[in-house]
Formats: sequence, structure tokens, C-alpha cells
Amino acid sequence: AQSVAQPEDQVNVAEGNPLTVKCTYSVSGNPYLFWYVQYPNRGLQFLLKYITGDNLVKGSYGFEAEFNKSQTSFHLKKPSALVSDSALYFCAVRDRNNAGNMLTFGGGTRLMVKP
Amino acid sequence: DAGVTQSPTHLIKTRGQQVTLRCSPISGHKSVSWYQQVLGQGPQFIFQYYEKEERGRGNFPDRFSARQFPNYSSELNVNALLLGDSALYLCASSLEVLRGINEQFFGPGTRLTVL
Repeated sequence: AQSVAQPEDQVNVAEGNPLTVKCTYSVSGNPYLFWYVQYPNRGLQFLLKYITGDNLVKGSYGFEAEFNKSQTSFHLKKPSALVSDSALYFCAVRDRNNAGNMLTFGGGTRLMVKP
Repeated sequence: DAGVTQSPTHLIKTRGQQVTLRCSPISGHKSVSWYQQVLGQGPQFIFQYYEKEERGRGNFPDRFSARQFPNYSSELNVNALLLGDSALYLCASSLEVLRGINEQFFGPGTRLTVL
């Protein structure tokens, strides 16, 4: 079974400051990892994914994430937060051994960026 | 290009009724997945269809069923609705599931309220 934990329900950061949204995962094999963002009354928007290779993955809107196999983590980061980054962020994992495309999501972290 | 579309946007039903939700994938995408997102939680996988065949099923009761049509659109049916079925139902499409890692693109969702 695969699972994702997002330990923080909410992260507060001032505009212009760096932000980190934490994610840890558990899978039986090697993972594929994803970050999605959800704005109010909207579906999920893809931000970035880790498949293999470089542990630092760059994605949309200036976001990046760092894969750490030993800590089974995939934290989302951004050097300088914008008020418009305020949204709900979801980390998701897929087991490489799964033939299908099923994603297991974490519970989400609400990011609040204050001016 | 149009993204994933879902209909209806909102739906109100009473306990015991049946509901059908519809999804049209991005043009050229052959895989459709359905997720249920209860308020305050991350999405949970319900079904995946690829080339009109069921490729995965989450831990949902038999009251939930789905199908995919020759044009790759999909319907999700839920029978004998319960209050706990109230949620945002998300549809996601991807190119395929057999080769490579194809990120899923989500629609805006259908908000189902069961009274």
C-alpha cells in the first residue's frame, strides 16, 4: 500500500520570503512523485513531478521540489512567495510497480501568503 | 485547446437517489480516472479506464460504477446515494497508462450534495 503525509494543515509565509510545504511518502517500490495545486472552486493543476534523475525538480510558477530517498520526502519549495501562491497544495505518489496511473494524495496543505 | 470538462458543475440529490456524472478528456487522451474529494481531504482514487477497459479500482462500494465510451469520454454512476457521498468528484485524463509517466490533467469537478 502507498501513502502520503502532509504534516502541516496550513503554512503561513510573508510575501517575498521563501516557502516550504512538506511531504513524506511510503511505497513498496520506487516512487513517482507529484505536486498539484488547487484554487477555490477549481480542479487540481499540475505543478511538477519526479520520475528519476536529478533530485531537484523544477516546475511551474517558480516552484521546485527536492526528492530525498533516505528521508522519503518530497518537499515543495519556492525562493520568493507571492500572494497569488495562496492555495491548497497536494502531494501525490504513484508506485512504479503499479501498471495503472492511480495516484495516492496527501491530505493537503493550505498555503497562506500575506502581503 | 479545451481542457478536461465535466458536467454538471453542481448537483443536489436526496438519499437513495442515483446520479450520473460526465467527463470529457483532453483531445487525444485515452485514459480517464475518477477521484472523490471530500471537503477538507485529499482526492481519493475511485476508477481508472483506459481504452474503454477498467484498469484500476479504488476502495469504494459497488454502488459506484463507471464506463468509458468509444470517444474516450466517461460516466461515473453512484446508486443509492448516502449523505457521505457528498463531495467534489474530479475527473482526470492522461495520454495513456502503459508507457512512460503521463501526468494527469484534472477537470474542475462536479460538486455533489446529498440531502
